[in-house]
Amino acid sequence: TQLLEQSPQFLSIQEGENLTVYCNSSSVFSSLQWYRQEPGEGPVLLVTVVTGGEVKKLKRLTFQFGDARKDSSLHITAAQPGDTGLYLCAGNYYGQNFVFGPGTRLSVLP
Amino acid sequence: GAVVSQHPSRVICKSGTSVKIECRSLDFQATTMFWYRQFPKQSLMLMATSNEGSKATYEQGVEKDKFLINHASLTLSTLTVTSAHPEDSSFYICSAAKDRGGEADTQYFGPGTRLTVL
Repeated sequence: TQLLEQSPQFLSIQEGENLTVYCNSSSVFSSLQWYRQEPGEGPVLLVTVVTGGEVKKLKRLTFQFGDARKDSSLHITAAQPGDTGLYLCAGNYYGQNFVFGPGTRLSVLP
Repeated sequence: GAVVSQHPSRVICKSGTSVKIECRSLDFQATTMFWYRQFPKQSLMLMATSNEGSKATYEQGVEKDKFLINHASLTLSTLTVTSAHPEDSSFYICSAAKDRGGEADTQYFGPGTRLTVL
């Protein structure tokens, strides 16, 4: 069973600050997705990364996939209250089911 | 786009009754649909994977006779919670994949259904 870890578990910051959250596994991903989920709603896909070393940007969000495809990071620049939510990474492992990490709960205070 | 809907969004039922939740892919054909369960402040736990026209594959520890899944068409999957008990109260979320949900195949999630069993 693959174990997918996320850190930190909780993060509370002031508006305007930068932050990075991490997703790590002991196994190699074939692909990895980042989602954001707000209370009472389903997860919304932010990005899919496939290639080792890949960097993708989505406005103030920067996603990086590790060279070895075992880890990923999400960096948010100048966080806003609207960024508040549960950030989930989820990975596809070769020939196996999709696995979700435990999530990072982000709170951005105005 | 890739839009997935769920119905109902909220349901309250009495203990011992059965509840059906629908998951529809609105603008694409979903070869594979997934059902997840999420407890408060926790991540999503995969319950089962269903492929159109075949029996669902359940994750370890999920009772297939209690959580009946039907994937009768490429746009509709249903989850029926039979003889519901208060411990079944949870947030149920479905997702749909255009292919077999394998490598690099993105899952698109529905908005979830909040089930409360009294």
